[in-house]
Order: sequence, then structure tokens, then C-alpha cells
Amino acid sequence: QSALTQPPSASGSPGQSVTISCTGTSSDVGRYNYVSWYQQHPDKAPKLIIYEVTKRPSGIPGRFSGSKSGNTASLTISGLQAEDEADYYCSSFLGTNNFPYVFGPGTKLSVL
Amino acid sequence: QVVESGGDLIQPGGSLRLSCAASGFTVSNIYMTWVRQAPGKGLEFIAVIFIGGFTNHADSVKGRFVISRDNSQNTLFLQMNSLRGEDTAVYYCATLSPGLTGGFDIWGRGTMVTVSS
Repeated sequence: QSALTQPPSASGSPGQSVTISCTGTSSDVGRYNYVSWYQQHPDKAPKLIIYEVTKRPSGIPGRFSGSKSGNTASLTISGLQAEDEADYYCSSFLGTNNFPYVFGPGTKLSVL
Repeated sequence: QVVESGGDLIQPGGSLRLSCAASGFTVSNIYMTWVRQAPGKGLEFIAVIFIGGFTNHADSVKGRFVISRDNSQNTLFLQMNSLRGEDTAVYYCATLSPGLTGGFDIWGRGTMVTVSS
């Protein structure tokens, strides 16, 4: 099964911007514009913050944005706030001929 | 929203059935999934049921777990057989929207399954 790669950790100071990458292959991230991102605080359920690479669900602040270049998708958080400290996971669609989704291993974001 | 239930402490080799009660939408009109998270680990997508009823399971659970739904109860299920220690995890029910290529957008709080003797 496909595997995505994320940095294990990232950090930034309040007000700064931070970008988290999600690297796949030409069979997943590179092939489909169906990458999503999730925020998970400790002992809470994940929360969808970006879907289809760049779209934000209702209620998600514009500080969160997504992009993709080649086989790498990125999540950028601008104007970091203390409550942004959480784990972030990416996910990519794999096509209907395969088990359709895979998650990245997650990135722990610290707001210093 | 969705609310999971059925998690428990179970011995290796045992069986368990998880439920996910949905409200505010109809389970037969949306792609529904099970995602699990082992203690201190990341997310693992393990099963999906399509709108048309087709199901698919991750290799890690194929042949042991079965996803299903009961439209009359508006509930999603996960039948778990031949449980192993590595199945210990929080099990989340989540919807895929909009459509199969959207994101996992509605999540429950999860239900804990512990496999141990």
C-alpha cells in the first residue's frame, strides 16, 4: 500500500507562518487533486481542515491553506496561534481500483 | 453527527461489533468509513462502505473485519473477528464528503477497543 511522508515535527512562534509537507508519489499525491489535512488535539477526534488540496470546510479560518506541487502537498498555517498546537495528518486518495485512502504518519506542531 | 459505541476489553481471538449511530443525515446516502488510531500512533483507514453498498477493507483487517450498515437504524457497523493485540486502538466512524474524493469530514468521538488477555 502507498505510503506518505511527513516531517515528525514542526514549530513556530505565535504570529509566524509554518508549512508542513506531505510527500507521496505519482500514483497518489501527484496523480489526484484529492489531498486532505486533519488537525488533532490530544484525546480529541481529528478535524478536517483542508480537502481537495486547497478547499476549506465551513468554519475553518483562512489562516489554514493548502497547496500541491508535483508529488508533494503542503499545509500552511499563517498567523500561528497557541491553539494551533496539535498533530496534523495528511491523506491522499489512491483511486477506486485500490483501497481508496492512505494517511500520512502525522506531524506534531509546537507553537513556541 | 455520529456516535460510536461497542468498544471493550476483549481477549485475543475474540469478536466484537462496533456501532456508529448517525443523525442529521442518512448513512445510505454517503460514503462511510472506519478509521482507527493505536495508542500514541497515527491514523489508519481500515474500511469503507460505498453509497451503492460496495465495501473495501485494508489488508491489515481483510478477512477478519467487516463493515456494514443498517439503513433502517441509520447505523454503521464494524464486525471484528479474530482480534489481535495490534487491533488495540480507538476506532472512529467518519463520513467522506463531498463524495468519495472529498475529506473525512464528520467524525465521532471514537470508541476504545483493547485486545489483551
